[in-house]
Amino acid sequence: GNSVTQMEGPVTLSEEAFLTINCTYTATGYPSLFWYVQYPGEGLQLLLKATKADDKGSNKGFEATYRKETTSFHLEKGSVQVSDSAVYFCALSSLGSARQLTFGSGTQLTVLP
Amino acid sequence: EAGVTQFPSHSVIEKGQTVTLRCDPISGHDNLYWYRRVMGKEIKFLLHFVKESKQDESGMPNNRFLAERTGGTYSTLKVQPAELEDSGVYFCASSQDLIRRVGGYTFGSGTRLTVV
Repeated sequence: GNSVTQMEGPVTLSEEAFLTINCTYTATGYPSLFWYVQYPGEGLQLLLKATKADDKGSNKGFEATYRKETTSFHLEKGSVQVSDSAVYFCALSSLGSARQLTFGSGTQLTVLP
Repeated sequence: EAGVTQFPSHSVIEKGQTVTLRCDPISGHDNLYWYRRVMGKEIKFLLHFVKESKQDESGMPNNRFLAERTGGTYSTLKVQPAELEDSGVYFCASSQDLIRRVGGYTFGSGTRLTVV
């Protein structure tokens, strides 16, 4: 079956630090990959996605590249801000799962001023 | 457009009691999903409605959980009787088009359920 393994948290960084949150997956076929973010008191929001190998998803300064050879989709940002403090979830969706999402366990990020 | 609305936002109940969670999807969205995150672990799929029909309920943990979607509009998720391990955050999501909007769900802010 499908599974997503995500870097354990919590992660605490200073403002303007570099961020990496690791994500690896196991899936049949060729899944689509996503990063979702949950800001305090809000719902899950799609941050970025990639639908095929070597695609790079990007949004709000965050990037992640779909690496089929390493089955990874690591999230990166060059300079984090306090407003990036949130919980980040890696997820996948495959045709065989009728578009239901399989999530990782989430990583709590806190950015200090 | 209005987002996906869930209520209550928080619920604290005693073991053995009944709780009903409600989700109002975005108007016109045929697809409605329930997910939950237990004990800070991964978010897990519970079930999927297409209009008023259950398309996939493979993630429902046991028969203490009952989901309905009246007339293809709002949905309710009832837990009866609640157990301690049911504590967690229950998310609802909706989407208009299953095929095209890959991962393009709109999620609600969730209901935090605490069973004591």
